[in-house]
Amino acid sequence: AQSVTQLGSHVSVSEGALVLLRCNYSSSVPPYLFWYVQYPNQGLQLLLKYTSAATLVKGINGFEAEFKKSETSFHLTKPSAHMSDAAEYFCAVSPYSSASKIIFGSGTRLSIRP
Amino acid sequence: GAVVSQHPSRVICKSGTSVKIECRSLDFQATTMFWYRQFPKQSLMLMATSNEGSKATYEQGVEKDKFLINHASLTLSTLTVTSAHPEDSSFYICSARDSYQETQYFGPGTRLLVL
Repeated sequence: AQSVTQLGSHVSVSEGALVLLRCNYSSSVPPYLFWYVQYPNQGLQLLLKYTSAATLVKGINGFEAEFKKSETSFHLTKPSAHMSDAAEYFCAVSPYSSASKIIFGSGTRLSIRP
Repeated sequence: GAVVSQHPSRVICKSGTSVKIECRSLDFQATTMFWYRQFPKQSLMLMATSNEGSKATYEQGVEKDKFLINHASLTLSTLTVTSAHPEDSSFYICSARDSYQETQYFGPGTRLLVL
């Protein structure tokens, strides 16, 4: 079975500071891993995905994530936070492909302090 | 990029009535669509996988007689919440699989409030 665990339901950083959102996964097969962002009352937007190519994945809006098999982690980072980054972020895993059913983590709410 | 729409975006209904939510892939064909449910401040939970022309596959604990799913064409799947009750109030999100690109696209969601 596949699952993801997001450490920290709420993360608050100052504008311009480093953003680090943690995600650990469990998978019996090589996983496909994703980060999605959800703004209030909206659907999901794909930030980036790992599909076994490069271990460092660059996404939209300056975000990137690194796949570390030894640590079963896929943490999301951004060097400098913007006020517009405030949203809910979901780490997710899919066991078969990026188009099959996706299992989501519990989410991390990112707040940005002025 | 590919677009998935949902209609309505928001619906309020009385307890005991049925509500239909549509999910459309606007510029690609989707042989598979997924329906998720999200309670306030919680994550998305997969309800069912909908395949065009066949019966949907429901996740454990989801009542298939209450949440009717129809996927009659390659661009449209519907979720009908039958005899809705206040506990069915939630945010329902669909996603559609673009088979050629092996990518899944999410709709904007439908907020259901049952009074």
